[in-house]
Amino acid sequence: QKEVEQNSGPLSVPEGAIASLNCTYSDRVSQSFFWYRQYSGKSPELIMSIYSNGDKEDGRFTAQLNKASQYVSLLIRDSQPSDSATYLCAVNTYNAGNMLTFGGGTRLMVKP
Amino acid sequence: GAVVSQHPSRVICKSGTSVKIECRSLDFQATTMFWYRQFPKQSLMLMATSNEGSKATYEQGVEKDKFLINHASLTLSTLTVTSAHPEDSSFYICSASGDSLSLHFGNGTRLTVT
Repeated sequence: QKEVEQNSGPLSVPEGAIASLNCTYSDRVSQSFFWYRQYSGKSPELIMSIYSNGDKEDGRFTAQLNKASQYVSLLIRDSQPSDSATYLCAVNTYNAGNMLTFGGGTRLMVKP
Repeated sequence: GAVVSQHPSRVICKSGTSVKIECRSLDFQATTMFWYRQFPKQSLMLMATSNEGSKATYEQGVEKDKFLINHASLTLSTLTVTSAHPEDSSFYICSASGDSLSLHFGNGTRLTVT
């Protein structure tokens, strides 16, 4: 079992809809969770970080964390074609320093 | 926000030559930098963890004699691909973190070995 799992997609949503991206992780002691967006041929850029159970909102993005169920999700409201990218979930454990374990990424396609 | 500069962004070299990639943290000190490799349509694969002033820690399957990492200062780490071969062609990305746990990535280096 992979340590961090994501559905590879592609996830296709119409413009203006809510895109829901999910990620599960296997290490129960994971402490910090991150969502990165990566456009084709570019390096990842940080979108959201979340450390506590519940929801964290930032503009059109909402990260949700449920440590009991070991999943973290990212909701994108009012999806735009410019949101089309691969979204990477990353997990950090306390004793791993700043090393992140990445999921395989979910490719999102927002259709006009 | 934290800025990580990676250079060059693109390099083409002949088989058997060596290529050096630089990664700099511009506005913060990074005691740890990470080097990743990404093949087309695949996720990031951690190659090594680079700590300032000490030897890098390589992930399983990564040849330390082929991928030389030097982290001479708190703002600079370099990755040298020695005796490059076509199968080394990939997208190499460095990352660094400051005080927070979040990583900031360089813009990546597209290496093509002919």
